[in-house]
Amino acid sequence: AQSVTQPDIHITVSEGASLELRCNYSYGATPYLFWYVQSPGQGLQLLLKYFSGDTLVQGIKGFEAEFKRSQSSFNLRKPSVHWSDAAEYFCAVGAKQAGTALIFGKGTTLSVSS
Amino acid sequence: EPEVTQTPSHQVTQMGQEVILRCVPISNHLYFYWYRQILGQKVEFLVSFYNNEISEKSEIFDDQFSVERPDGSNFTLKIRSTKLEDSAMYFCAGGTFTGELFFGEGSRLTVL
Repeated sequence: AQSVTQPDIHITVSEGASLELRCNYSYGATPYLFWYVQSPGQGLQLLLKYFSGDTLVQGIKGFEAEFKRSQSSFNLRKPSVHWSDAAEYFCAVGAKQAGTALIFGKGTTLSVSS
Repeated sequence: EPEVTQTPSHQVTQMGQEVILRCVPISNHLYFYWYRQILGQKVEFLVSFYNNEISEKSEIFDDQFSVERPDGSNFTLKIRSTKLEDSAMYFCAGGTFTGELFFGEGSRLTVL
């Protein structure tokens, strides 16, 4: 079955500390992988995506993610968290073919403490 | 920067009523989608639309739901007879052939 697992429901990080949000997926075809961020009352904003090539991808707001095929993982990282990063983060997987469904994880809520 | 716009931002309706949620996708997008997020749960795929027809739909998208693109710009989701469990945030999204989706800010539907 196709699925995305985000094991951490809620994470609290001190401002300036590093962050890693975990994502594991199960997908039958070659996966396209995404991280989206959702601030309260807002829509889903794309942080970064992996389609092919270099397994370390850079995104907006200083985020990066690494695709590890052997571990079926696509973890999101940021070296130094800012208070404005507090939001909900969703990992998603889809197929190369447009028009097919993105499968989302349940999300990880990030809180940033001062 | 172009964006996906959705209306209304919040709609409250009585159970059994029809609801239409509207979306204006980015003009060069070819694929259109509806997703929903029940409060506290994950984002779920409802339907995708391409070339004026449904290309894929989930089991959530039953006969109570319909989509159309009546005028080449708006993309609508109709729920014919709302149920309590239809209460959710509904997201419209659009994309091209790359598979990357651009989401709107959502329409919150509350069914009483």
